[in-house]
Amino acid sequence: DIVMTQSPDSLAVSLGERATINCKSSQSVLYSYDNKNYLAWYQQKPGQPPKLLIYWASTRESGVPDRFSGSGSGTDFTLTISSLQAEDVAVYYCQQYYIAPFTFGPGTKVDIK
Amino acid sequence: QVQLVESGGGVVQPGRSLRLSCAASGFTFSGCGMQWVRQAPGKGLEWLTVISYDGSVKYYAGSVKGRFTISRDNSKNTLYLQMNSLRAEDTAVYYCAKDAAPSNSYHYYYMDVWGKGTTVTVSS
Repeated sequence: DIVMTQSPDSLAVSLGERATINCKSSQSVLYSYDNKNYLAWYQQKPGQPPKLLIYWASTRESGVPDRFSGSGSGTDFTLTISSLQAEDVAVYYCQQYYIAPFTFGPGTKVDIK
Repeated sequence: QVQLVESGGGVVQPGRSLRLSCAASGFTFSGCGMQWVRQAPGKGLEWLTVISYDGSVKYYAGSVKGRFTISRDNSKNTLYLQMNSLRAEDTAVYYCAKDAAPSNSYHYYYMDVWGKGTTVTVSS
């Protein structure tokens, strides 16, 4: 199984500042056939189901604010919130869908400093 | 609008069975792969299983393989999760989710629509 790790476990950022979350996979999730990274990011607020933010490592889902961006390739990925807003307080998960089981990272909790 | 509504959760004794349902609406259910994900209290997300649009291909996480079975009834726009030999560690909120892969394909992608979840508690 592909093991997903995330860092940090949690972070606190001032409003308007940048938040950066890292995700690492135990093997590459870049599929050579289509040159796509099979990596998604989800946001989960307390008491709510997860919400898709980013897929193919860097494609923003429709309706997601452009302060959210994803980058990386192969085994190392980053989710960046360029200017943290109060409504961004949540836990963020990366997930690989390269090969089943489609494993999630352990999550990173983002709070306001 | 696109919607998924889970049901069937509850309190069940260890070793017993439970079947969860997920009613889909607002999209062509019969053309979409579907997945189940769970979240134990205070823990992260755990991917469980996926089923192809026609029900012919299924994959499972090791933690539930042999105990849980995913299935679907396209005539009823409903996804199921049969859970047998339940253990205390199966206590969680169970979410169904729609796979975003192209219709009628055997590819599996990210999950673009999620239900609100149903809670399963395994306790004597």
